[in-house]
Amino acid sequence: DQQVKQNSPSLSVQEGRISILNCDYTNSMFDYFLWYKKYPAEGPTFLISISSIKDKNEDGRFTVFLNKSAKHLSLHIVPSQPGDSAVYFCAASDLGNQFYFGTGTSLTVIP
Amino acid sequence: GAGVSQSPRYKVAKRGQDVALRCDPISGHVSLFWYQQALGQGPEFLTYFQNEAQLDKSGLPSDRFFAERPEGSVSTLKIQRTQQEDSAVYLCASSLAGTGGLVNEKLFFGSGTQLSVL
Repeated sequence: DQQVKQNSPSLSVQEGRISILNCDYTNSMFDYFLWYKKYPAEGPTFLISISSIKDKNEDGRFTVFLNKSAKHLSLHIVPSQPGDSAVYFCAASDLGNQFYFGTGTSLTVIP
Repeated sequence: GAGVSQSPRYKVAKRGQDVALRCDPISGHVSLFWYQQALGQGPEFLTYFQNEAQLDKSGLPSDRFFAERPEGSVSTLKIQRTQQEDSAVYLCASSLAGTGGLVNEKLFFGSGTQLSVL
């Protein structure tokens, strides 16, 4: 049973515009969330995180929003750049020893 | 090196063959994780070590899968009698956390071993 879901397998955005990647989760015990970025033939690399005590965390062009009541988080990239083209994974933890990953969204930023 | 290193990068095995996948975590990282990523899917948890202790192996899909980290640094994931459904990318990750719980922690991943079982 998939506890972290990314329902959009792919997304295309024009360079300079905003990219919005969405993630939903089912386990109300999750209280720490991360986004990872993955280029082909490489392992995922950490992008940004948020704990459940916050509803927003910003780092440069990247902002993560958390809506606990809706069990939803999103990653905003503004402005989008061609180098942002990659697969983005959402992950969640329940203070245990596991991160649960979504299936990923492939972002293409068109120059 | 400064990052998590995995070898081999690619492995082709005949069905029934045993394979061993190696992971060198970041020096000083206490926690080590193995994940399996099937094509088009996200990484799925296999097992977790804190130093040399295997604290969670609930994700290992069968008793053909075995992992060890005898000295608390390098880890080996062994798959016995490989099957076609074992074909996947096997990712190793490490983190600094040593007390259990992953709040404010992040995993550093290696590039993975792509296993193809024919």
